[in-house]
Amino acid sequence: GAVVSQHPSWVICKSGTSVKIECRSLDFQATTMFWYRQFPKQSLMLMATSNEGSKATYEQGVEKDKFLINHASLTLSTLTVTSAHPEDSSFYICSARLRDGETQYFGPGTRLLVL
Amino acid sequence: SQKIEQNSEALNIQEGKTATLTCNYTNYSPAYLQWYRQDPGRGPVFLLLIRENEKEKRKERLKVTFDTTLKQSLFHITASQPADSATYLCALDMYGGGSYIPTFGRGTSLIVHP
Repeated sequence: GAVVSQHPSWVICKSGTSVKIECRSLDFQATTMFWYRQFPKQSLMLMATSNEGSKATYEQGVEKDKFLINHASLTLSTLTVTSAHPEDSSFYICSARLRDGETQYFGPGTRLLVL
Repeated sequence: SQKIEQNSEALNIQEGKTATLTCNYTNYSPAYLQWYRQDPGRGPVFLLLIRENEKEKRKERLKVTFDTTLKQSLFHITASQPADSATYLCALDMYGGGSYIPTFGRGTSLIVHP
């Protein structure tokens, strides 16, 4: 199957700082990338859908100014958590999809801890 | 809005038996439905995709059924092994805003005892 990488795999930061997470599709061009957040024992919550070359579509309740998404190329999307607070601590996972109707390939996830 | 229900209680079975996991949904039938496996602290791994016009899909020891009348999908693992122990997620893709948007269930934890 296709490979999606995420970097970093974990990060600890102080409250008020910004954190950038990268998501790369390594062996295919992803027209769409998704960003999810997952709390312990909870389901994956879709945060936003990112299409290459256009603005991300955010789900209801997700602040676009706080969670900045940039999909600069067909193989790279970044999520920046701005002015992070302890309540932003979570497991962030990206996925990439070649086209509608195809499966998503997930990255390994990034665990964020805001102190 | 679409709701996806997966049994929140862990499923415990003995090695060699068939594990059956259930995914029920409300409202509209999705264009397609997918099953993923997730291990602790890892991203989900795709297992099977089934489309709305398909009733059954198989892959090695895995089988998925899709009943749009019952609004239910069943996921079967035959000859289960302890290595199959993980959380299994059901995901539906609904069409909206010009593309298919995925929604995940909470997942069901499967524990296969040797």
